[in-house]
Amino acid sequence: QVQLQESGPGLVKPSGTLSLICGVSGVSISSRAWWSWVRQSPGRGLEWIGEISHSGTTSYNPSLQRRITISVDKSKNQFSLNLSSVTAADTAVYYCARAADGSFTDWGQGTLVTVSS
Amino acid sequence: QPVLTQSSSASASLGSSVKLTCTLSSGHTTYIIAWHQQQPGKAPRFLMKLEGSGGYNKGSGVPDRFSGSSSGADRYLTISNLQFEDEADYYCETWDSNTRVFGGGTKLTVL
Repeated sequence: QVQLQESGPGLVKPSGTLSLICGVSGVSISSRAWWSWVRQSPGRGLEWIGEISHSGTTSYNPSLQRRITISVDKSKNQFSLNLSSVTAADTAVYYCARAADGSFTDWGQGTLVTVSS
Repeated sequence: QPVLTQSSSASASLGSSVKLTCTLSSGHTTYIIAWHQQQPGKAPRFLMKLEGSGGYNKGSGVPDRFSGSSSGADRYLTISNLQFEDEADYYCETWDSNTRVFGGGTKLTVL
């Protein structure tokens, strides 16, 4: 059974960098899939942030592209998100997810990140 | 890139059926979509992948009460014999070569 688990600071200062890790179990991160980040601002819908493929190819949401880096650590079977120059508008629940055959089929439980001084 | 349009809310009575709609934008009407359920305070859960032909593949453990269908640019999620635990937000998702898109979500209330 595939399981995804987000971890990282729950509070980030404005202008700082938000860094999250998604630990993966039940499947190798080198398996054919797209490993993604999605966020949900309070009371709002789902927003795709970006993703990285099993081969290391990345795709980012154009509205966030200049601030995002997504990478994979195969030795730890995990992938990560860095979002720079954060503002209060980046306050959200951040989810990691796996798309093995087109759509997302597996989701992490989510982690709330608040941007505040 | 594709755009997905969903009604913001829907309601139906306990034990009845409801049909939620996700509409693909012009030029993207043949796209495959996925339906996800998000119960209050929980992470999204994959329900099914739905093709333009109406064929669908459900996720593990998704009850038989959930089914999908398609007509032109519209993709449907039908929930039969509504239960209180079906009260949730429902999102459709689609993807292209370099992007993924979600619909705005439909909030389903079970009366």
